[in-house]
Amino acid sequence: KQEVTQIPAALSVPEGENLVLNCSFTDSAIYNLQWFRQDPGKGLTSLLLIQSSQREQTSGRLNASLDKSSGRSTLYIAASQPGDSATYLCAVRSLNAGGTSYGKLTFGQGTILTVHP
Amino acid sequence: KAGVTQTPRYLIKTRGQQVTLSCSPISGHRSVSWYQQTPGQGLQFLFEYFSETQRNKGNFPGRFSGRQFSNSRSEMNVSTLELGDSALYLCASSLKSTGELFFGEGSRLTVL
Repeated sequence: KQEVTQIPAALSVPEGENLVLNCSFTDSAIYNLQWFRQDPGKGLTSLLLIQSSQREQTSGRLNASLDKSSGRSTLYIAASQPGDSATYLCAVRSLNAGGTSYGKLTFGQGTILTVHP
Repeated sequence: KAGVTQTPRYLIKTRGQQVTLSCSPISGHRSVSWYQQTPGQGLQFLFEYFSETQRNKGNFPGRFSGRQFSNSRSEMNVSTLELGDSALYLCASSLKSTGELFFGEGSRLTVL
């Protein structure tokens, strides 16, 4: 059974800092890994998707890396801004039983990020 | 391009009643999945449909069921509601080729 852990559970930083959010998973047989942000009372917004064959993805100030062998992914946010304040969630899509397609999705508990001016 | 649309956005029910939630995926997306989000348990996978067939199922009791129609729209139903079913129910759609999920705003269910 896939288990996903996110560290830290909460993080408070001053504006302008670079920061790293961590996600670890127990089963390396994954199809892909996706990072989301969620604002209070809202749905999830996709940030970055990393396929199992990829090592990293970048979008603007965000960079996500994937190391399947160690069961880890990191989300790097450069030059943080107050608008980045949200809960960040990591979701791991496992392979199906036959290893041929995608299976279930497992979410971490999230990291609550607060960026203060 | 319209995003994932969920209806209703908010609803209040009493114990023992049943509820049906609806999800319209992004045009062209044939995969739809459902999730329950609560403060205590976080986000938990309910089930996933592709081309009207359930592909994956989470660990929820049989009171939770779903279906997908030929136009890819999906519904989930919860029967005999319990207080613990109060949650934000999120729907996501994806292209099978990439598996990237796009979420709706959710349906917030309160059971009294």
